[in-house]
Amino acid sequence: EAGVAQSPRYKIIEKRQSVAFWCNPISGHATLYWYQQILGQGPKLLIQFQNNGVVDDSQLPKDRFSAERLKGVDSTLKIQPAKLEDSAVYLCASSGGPGAPSGELFFGEGSRLTVL
Amino acid sequence: GDSVTQMEGPVTLSEEAFLTINCTYTATGYPSLFWYVQYPGEGLQLLLKATKADDKGSNKGFEATYRKETTSFHLEKGSVQVSDSAVYFCALSGGGSYIPTFGRGTSLIVHP
Repeated sequence: EAGVAQSPRYKIIEKRQSVAFWCNPISGHATLYWYQQILGQGPKLLIQFQNNGVVDDSQLPKDRFSAERLKGVDSTLKIQPAKLEDSAVYLCASSGGPGAPSGELFFGEGSRLTVL
Repeated sequence: GDSVTQMEGPVTLSEEAFLTINCTYTATGYPSLFWYVQYPGEGLQLLLKATKADDKGSNKGFEATYRKETTSFHLEKGSVQVSDSAVYFCALSGGGSYIPTFGRGTSLIVHP
């Protein structure tokens, strides 16, 4: 079974530029999450999708971050314009396969963003 | 809201030493509890889980018991190996919030 795919793995941009990250979840997983992991901290949820609807985006900085999950499969997270404090690893996870208990997440390898 | 508190790291041990990483949680209701592990350069992966009080999760020699009375889910291993060096995250889901919530992680370094 293929895992969660993310790209790019690494991205370096100047502040005020824009960046987009892509995620393809495990086939059949209805729920998709984007987490931000700042160095030395635990993952912080940015947005949670159930199929193509947003379940929770209360911690997404909506003035600069946006995310979509068209057709309820893959998803894109965009940052525009980027700030220095956006430097982090952006983790995509999915869950909800048959029989999977609530909260058991499958993570991609992450996309590391450096903002200069 | 729900929260998870882990002990500060790094935890540095010699090979074959006993490991404990403390985790306590705050949640309404009856959450499921998880330990995830993140090896260098990789994403998080599930290590073990427990879904109700007094359940013991175990995997790869690691164990953790869901203690409702102390709201704890401490991770233990009797004899660590160099290959166990990683960051360990305690997490919960399904308490007062449906959002999976993670602790800040504890780095484990095992020396030969």
